[in-house]
Amino acid sequence: NAGVTQTPKFRVLKTGQSMTLLCAQDMNHEYMYWYRQDPGMGLRLIHYSVGEGTTAKGEVPDGYNVSRLKKQNFLLGLESAAPSQTSVYFCASSYDSLYQPQHFGDGTRLSIL
Amino acid sequence: TQLLEQSPQFLSIQEGENLTVYCNSSSVFSSLQWYRQEPGEGPVLLVTVVTGGEVKKLKRLTFQFGDARKDSSLHITAAQPGDTGLYLCAGEAGNTGKLIFGQGTTLQVKP
Repeated sequence: NAGVTQTPKFRVLKTGQSMTLLCAQDMNHEYMYWYRQDPGMGLRLIHYSVGEGTTAKGEVPDGYNVSRLKKQNFLLGLESAAPSQTSVYFCASSYDSLYQPQHFGDGTRLSIL
Repeated sequence: TQLLEQSPQFLSIQEGENLTVYCNSSSVFSSLQWYRQEPGEGPVLLVTVVTGGEVKKLKRLTFQFGDARKDSSLHITAAQPGDTGLYLCAGEAGNTGKLIFGQGTTLQVKP
């Protein structure tokens, strides 16, 4: 049972390039989330989804887009990467909303030069 | 904006010592979760507390949710090197499933 799988694990981009981070979960969870983790700032929610075909903005959505075309997948896109988007990105999923634990992937370390 | 403040941010102690990590907010949360994260991995849930005043124990770890559901604490008894890691508290905002995370407490337990 893989849980939450993120690809790629590492990536270096140049300013202005675009890329998509992939997240896949095999637990049939309804809710999925994208976070970024920066030193001293904990995890901050970028976008989230409460079900297939739905997305919503989180705390820091600017510069990112997401899509949830299939229940098991949640994609995070950077259209024009900026150095301020250098971070570790985590995807998470949960079965439902209230009181449910979130299951995290192992992260994607992204550097923008 | 709901915020969670964790203290201390860094803690370095000797094996066998006790410690407490605090998680405070001016906002009320429907539940509080504590996660532990090791380098190169995602956070892993330790416990969820949902009732004001609730106390939960997980072996040497004791978690408490404040009566007013605005704060929480994590107490570790007789810390071991295996407890080393980043501890994160996270509050659930209403019933949306969205979590607000604290900045984290980095714990180092020296043998």
